[in-house]
Amino acid sequence: DIQMTQSPSSLSASIGDRVTITCRASQGVRGYLAWYQQKPGKVPELLIFEASTLRSGVPSRFSGSGSGTDYTLTISSLQPEDVATYYCQKYNSPPWTFGQGTKVEIK
Amino acid sequence: EVQLLESGGGLVQPGGSLTLSCAASGFTFSDYGMSWVRQSPGKGLEWVSTVNGGGGSKFYAESVQGRFTISRDNSKNTLSLQMNSLGAEDTAIYYCAKTEAHYYFRYWGQGTLVTVSS
Repeated sequence: DIQMTQSPSSLSASIGDRVTITCRASQGVRGYLAWYQQKPGKVPELLIFEASTLRSGVPSRFSGSGSGTDYTLTISSLQPEDVATYYCQKYNSPPWTFGQGTKVEIK
Repeated sequence: EVQLLESGGGLVQPGGSLTLSCAASGFTFSDYGMSWVRQSPGKGLEWVSTVNGGGGSKFYAESVQGRFTISRDNSKNTLSLQMNSLGAEDTAIYYCAKTEAHYYFRYWGQGTLVTVSS
């Protein structure tokens, strides 16, 4: 099975900072990569699918990129409401594995 | 508006069984796959199982294969998860998720908590 590894596991950044989270697959996932945001105590929400397609309604400060085995989620200017844990998920084939998560906090 | 409402969670003894349900509304249920994703307390997300729109294709995580059974009733817009031989490792919030054609999860329910303990 393909393993998904996110880095870092956690980060602390200042308001307005650019934040980048990386997701690496043990084998290529052909762009079938989604990102989810889970705010504390809340249900996960889809942010990005197909590696770079922003879900409708998601702020434009979020962006995704990557191909093959390496993908990134970028927050161009961190806002207080972005405090959350972010997960990548590959869906090219079952099992539809999630990364272990990256917790984003405000410094 | 898509709505997913899980039910059936609760406290169950090790080795016991439990059936979860998810009532769906706001979309043509039979057109979409449906999935269960779980989250153990303080841990990350774990995909559990997916069934396609027609109900004929079912997929399971290795950790639940042979113990859990996913099913759907398209006449009632309901998704189910029959869970047998439960162990402490199955303690989690179980989310029902509307599954897009390429198997990512656009909509999630609020979740139902399953606690396996004596």
